[in-house]
Amino acid sequence: AQSVSQHNHHVILSEAASLELGCNYSYGGTVNLFWYVQYPGQHLQLLLKYFSGDPLVKGIKGFEAEFIKSKFSFNLRKPSVQWSDTAEYFCAVNANSGNTPLVFGKGTRLSVIA
Amino acid sequence: EAGVTQSPTHLIKTRGQQATLRCSPISGHTSVYWYQQALGLGLQFLLWYDEGEERNRGNFPPRFSGRQFPNYSSELNVNALELEDSALYLCASRRTGTGLYEQYFGPGTRLTVT
Repeated sequence: AQSVSQHNHHVILSEAASLELGCNYSYGGTVNLFWYVQYPGQHLQLLLKYFSGDPLVKGIKGFEAEFIKSKFSFNLRKPSVQWSDTAEYFCAVNANSGNTPLVFGKGTRLSVIA
Repeated sequence: EAGVTQSPTHLIKTRGQQATLRCSPISGHTSVYWYQQALGLGLQFLLWYDEGEERNRGNFPPRFSGRQFPNYSSELNVNALELEDSALYLCASRRTGTGLYEQYFGPGTRLTVT
């Protein structure tokens, strides 16, 4: 069965600090990978996605993620966080066909302080 | 383009009652997914409908059911409500087709069972 692990439950950073959120998945096949973000009081929004090709993908708001197949990882990064990045971040995976539901990690809460 | 909409925003029910939640997908999207976001458990897949048929269901009891209408909107029914059914229920939609794997989420229905 597919599973996703997000290692950090709560991360607290100062503004301008660099961010890396870990995500590892378990799945015996080719996968699609996603990062979703849930800002306070808002609904889940797609931050970035990986289907195939260049393993370094860029998303909205300066976020990027790197797919490392050998490590089954899809870590999210941002060089310099802002207070407005305070949110909950979810990593998700599904089969490459797209015809399976998303399996989500339990989320990482990011708090950015001034 | 209007996003995924869900109604009602909040729903308060008593244990043993039935709840009905509704979802309208983005125009042109034929697949609808339902997820439960319970405190501490992250997002868990409930049901997937495509072209009016149930394609997959998650590890939930049969009292969780639903349907998809000809206009691709969907309804989630939860019978014999239990206290642990209290959660945010999210609906997501997807345009089916090769390479179209992103799911777009609605704002959710907050179900409280007392």
